[in-house]
Amino acid sequence: SQTIHQWPATLVQPVGSPLSLECTVEGTSNPNLYWYRQAAGRGLQLLFYSVGIGQISSEVPQNLSASRPQDRQFILSSKKLLLSDSGFYLCACGEVNSPLHFGNGTRLTVT
Amino acid sequence: GESVGLHLPTLSVQEGDNSIINCAYSNSASDYFIWYKQESGKGPQFIIDIRSNMDKRQGQRVTVLLNKTVKHLSLQIAATQPGDSAVYFCAESFSGGYNKLIFGAGTRLAVHP
Repeated sequence: SQTIHQWPATLVQPVGSPLSLECTVEGTSNPNLYWYRQAAGRGLQLLFYSVGIGQISSEVPQNLSASRPQDRQFILSSKKLLLSDSGFYLCACGEVNSPLHFGNGTRLTVT
Repeated sequence: GESVGLHLPTLSVQEGDNSIINCAYSNSASDYFIWYKQESGKGPQFIIDIRSNMDKRQGQRVTVLLNKTVKHLSLQIAATQPGDSAVYFCAESFSGGYNKLIFGAGTRLAVHP
């Protein structure tokens, strides 16, 4: 079965600093990968998805970017963080018409 | 951990009662639906799914009902236990959409002894 690793679990960063969140997946090959963000007390918003190495689709305009340098690695980045980038970031993996499996997320606080 | 459910509607039930959580979905083209459970500080956990060619599916203590006419989905939990306390999300997607799940706002389930 798939296992999704995300790190760090929590992160506090000042406004204007860069960001790099990493997600790696085990137990599957060539998965679809996703980055979601969840604001406190809210649902999940899809940010990016990837169907293969180097293939990234963005769902919403934002201050973030994503990259997929390897089949089972998905990275979320920012050059300069904004206060509004605070939230709970979740990586997920899955195939069409199958449930997505989620990691345990990274809680990002931008101060 | 993450404060999930601060502003969400809450369903309060007594331990042992049945719970029904409702969800209205938005896209009439959606053909795949999932219920997730999220505990504070954790990622969503898959509970049960249903495809649009079905109107009911049962799992262990859970049942999902789908009404495509009114675009409504419900999750029934039998004999609710304290461990069921969490935030529950429905999600929808369609086959041609790379499994991009669109999540509902969520409902917090509080189980009282």
